[in-house]
Amino acid sequence: DTGVSQDPRHKITKRGQNVTFRCDPISEHNRLYWYRQTLGQGPEFLTYFQNEAQLEKSRLLSDRFSAERPKGSFSTLEIQRTEQGDSAMYLCASSLVAGVQETQYFGPGTRLLVL
Amino acid sequence: AQSVTQLDSQVPVFEEAPVELRCNYSSSVSVYLFWYVQYPNQGLQLLLKYLSGSTLVKGINGFEAEFNKSQTSFHLRKPSVHISDTAEYFCAVSNNAGNMLTFGGGTRLMVKP
Repeated sequence: DTGVSQDPRHKITKRGQNVTFRCDPISEHNRLYWYRQTLGQGPEFLTYFQNEAQLEKSRLLSDRFSAERPKGSFSTLEIQRTEQGDSAMYLCASSLVAGVQETQYFGPGTRLLVL
Repeated sequence: AQSVTQLDSQVPVFEEAPVELRCNYSSSVSVYLFWYVQYPNQGLQLLLKYLSGSTLVKGINGFEAEFNKSQTSFHLRKPSVHISDTAEYFCAVSNNAGNMLTFGGGTRLMVKP
């Protein structure tokens, strides 16, 4: 069990550019979550997948954000036309749902800085 | 809707002293409760969780927490802290359906020698 991995760990981009982040969940975990954490705050939910289906999206996820999990394994989060307000840590978590009990395990995060 | 309040943004404490980090939640349904720790520039690591059963939950690194339904609290405690416990601690809640976690604003524990 290698844990949740995220790539890249850091990304610096200029305003207006597109960026894409990748998350590899723990093997056989069927749920995958994306959260955003701004400096000094707790993480905020963005979206989640059950296998390849995207089941819920937060109002924080504007039209410039899109997430995919094409084969029910890894996931990508793309931000188009980045803005300075997108600067944050983007966290991925995965879980194996067993009945109603679920524990999410987090990756190390991707820190995005938009200049 | 559910929410989590961590009453202290920072808690300074001397090494080997006891510590309590406070967490209160609000929810209209039954909840599951979690404490995560975040070291600088890292992701979140699960410390402990309450899903059901005994209200006193023991976690890693000597931490424990007690679920109090009447007070809607889930305070985290450690009888003797170490310098290495210096980190940000987040309380989180999820509802019966699992899925999204709602986090508190975090408490920065600063252990001084």
